[in-house]
Amino acid sequence: GAVVSQHPSWVICKSGTSVKIECRSLDFQATTMFWYRQFPKQSLMLMATSNEGSKATYEQGVEKDKFLINHASLTLSTLTVTSAHPEDSSFYICSARGLGLALSYEQYFGPGTRLTVT
Amino acid sequence: DQQVKQNSPSLSVQEGRISILNCDYTNSMFDYFLWYKKYPAEGPTFLISISSIKDKNEDGRFTVFLNKSAKHLSLHIVPSQPGDSAVYFCAARYGGATNKLIFGTGTLLAVQP
Repeated sequence: GAVVSQHPSWVICKSGTSVKIECRSLDFQATTMFWYRQFPKQSLMLMATSNEGSKATYEQGVEKDKFLINHASLTLSTLTVTSAHPEDSSFYICSARGLGLALSYEQYFGPGTRLTVT
Repeated sequence: DQQVKQNSPSLSVQEGRISILNCDYTNSMFDYFLWYKKYPAEGPTFLISISSIKDKNEDGRFTVFLNKSAKHLSLHIVPSQPGDSAVYFCAARYGGATNKLIFGTGTLLAVQP
């Protein structure tokens, strides 16, 4: 149980284009989803927290107009990287917590999406 | 300001021996601490957690110890197996409505056969 999927698993795009990453909770309702990015050999940095049906809360230093987050349903959140640049290349990971989980505070992570901007 | 620190970037242990991974934190407001295991190009998988009101939690080969006065926790894996080789992250949770996790920088564990 508590499976989170992400799509795509990897994507290469040209500078200036936008890329959408999907995060789905497959067997539970995710009331809250989190988006992280990880640079090579570094920690996971929280970008934003989204609650179903409300606007995302962004961490300090994260541009909300560049990283658009939508959490329209209890099983789906999307991260859109707008006007991507090479410095946006990173590993993006989502996590979810929600109803019916054994540990209410626990987050279950997706497998991640490798974004490369050329 | 790194609120959760893992000062050892890597650790090498012989199969069958004990692996001890350490983590230090600065914020007294964290209410839960979690350990995650991560393989390259994959998301972290949950291993074990401990409440801030406990000092030990055990699950099979994994035991987490918490020393609140020292703001220090450790993960013990015994006996270590080659399949345990991965990056281990400790994470601390802010209590309340946000449920944010703050991750450490990770420790790469290599278990030698």
